[in-house]
Amino acid sequence: SQKIEQNSEALNIQEGKTATLTCNYTNYSPAYLQWYRQDPGRGPVFLLLIRENEKEKRKERLKVTFDTTLKQSLFHITASQPADSATYLCARGGTSYDKVIFGPGTSLSVIP
Amino acid sequence: GAVVSQHPSRVICKSGTSVKIECRSLDFQATTMFWYRQFPKQSLMLMATSNEGSKATYEQGVEKDKFLINHASLTLSTLTVTSAHPEDSSFYICSARDRLSEAFFGQGTRLTVV
Repeated sequence: SQKIEQNSEALNIQEGKTATLTCNYTNYSPAYLQWYRQDPGRGPVFLLLIRENEKEKRKERLKVTFDTTLKQSLFHITASQPADSATYLCARGGTSYDKVIFGPGTSLSVIP
Repeated sequence: GAVVSQHPSRVICKSGTSVKIECRSLDFQATTMFWYRQFPKQSLMLMATSNEGSKATYEQGVEKDKFLINHASLTLSTLTVTSAHPEDSSFYICSARDRLSEAFFGQGTRLTVV
């Protein structure tokens, strides 16, 4: 079956460091992947979308890569801040007529 | 980005009663809406997809008679949890999209069945 997997249940990093979150997919080849942020008790908020022909995409302190050979997307937050603490979700689909299917999410805690 | 409003944000109901959750797209016409359920410390699980004016398509394992979805207009979809039981307690989230855009999410509804 088609799967999206994300690394480790929780990631703790020191403020100012770069956080790197991993998303792996199996048994299919998505045309694009998306990253969302979710705070407790809130709906997900869209952050970035990267297409299979884009190796890298940036938005302020965020950077996403897409490696179709490794079947993997990496999500980086540079100069991390405590306010970046949240759960980050990788997802496939979401444009045109696709439904958005989420991975399990990675909880990030940035320690002051 | 576009705004999707979900109401109520929290609801507590007695076992056996029905609860209706509304999802509105405030500044765009949502041709498609999605309903998700999220249990504590788990990811969002898609329940159903609804297109305006047609019947919802439910994901495998989701009871369509228990979770009634109505998408009567281009700005409103409702999810009714019928004869709710404690195991239906969860966080329900809607998402809306027009034909060409990305999907935007509501703020979620915390349902507690006592």
